[in-house]
Amino acid sequence: EPEVTQTPSHQVTQMGQEVILRCVPISNHLYFYWYRQILGQKVEFLVSFYNNEISEKSEIFDDQFSVERPDGSNFTLKIRSTKLEDSAMYFCASTWTGDQPQHFGDGTRLSIL
Amino acid sequence: GENVEQHPSTLSVQEGDSAVIKCTYSDSASNYFPWYKQELGKRPQLIIDIRSNVGEKKDQRIAVTLNKTAKHFSLHITETQPEDSAVYFCAASAADYKLSFGAGTTVTVRA
Repeated sequence: EPEVTQTPSHQVTQMGQEVILRCVPISNHLYFYWYRQILGQKVEFLVSFYNNEISEKSEIFDDQFSVERPDGSNFTLKIRSTKLEDSAMYFCASTWTGDQPQHFGDGTRLSIL
Repeated sequence: GENVEQHPSTLSVQEGDSAVIKCTYSDSASNYFPWYKQELGKRPQLIIDIRSNVGEKKDQRIAVTLNKTAKHFSLHITETQPEDSAVYFCAASAADYKLSFGAGTTVTVRA
């Protein structure tokens, strides 16, 4: 069964540094999402992306965050200047159409020191 | 925005017994309600979902019910097994397709 893949599995970064989290959605999917989960808490929506533009973003997704689909297969989340509170598990998800079940990747654990 | 409340936060059941997890949502426009199972350190995995035009859906030992009027939906697991131990999240979405998750229920099945 096709899967959403995310790299790296774990990223450790100094506060203030830029970080890029990478996702390869399932190949025929058109809708892409980023969520985050702070340890022990609920999964929170960050952003949705369709047709090469952001469809929706949460209040968490401020000017420090950006997303890109640089080459037709990768979907990236960039955090420009990381803060301690950005430490979390970041999940990418994709779906064929917006109303179909979202398939999640294994996540990237981001640790900000 | 949508607010999803989930209860209980923890649930311990004897193997073979049933487990029930309840969620409420606030946005009457929500029309899609998935349930995800998350094992420690793993991805959330969809186990069952229901849409607003259906009141109940069953898949083997798992069932979900939806009461649109009351804005609540529930997950029922029958004949629980040790491998059912995990964190379960309910979620809701409307036409914007973004998932709003509940806080999760940690289910422990005692052998």
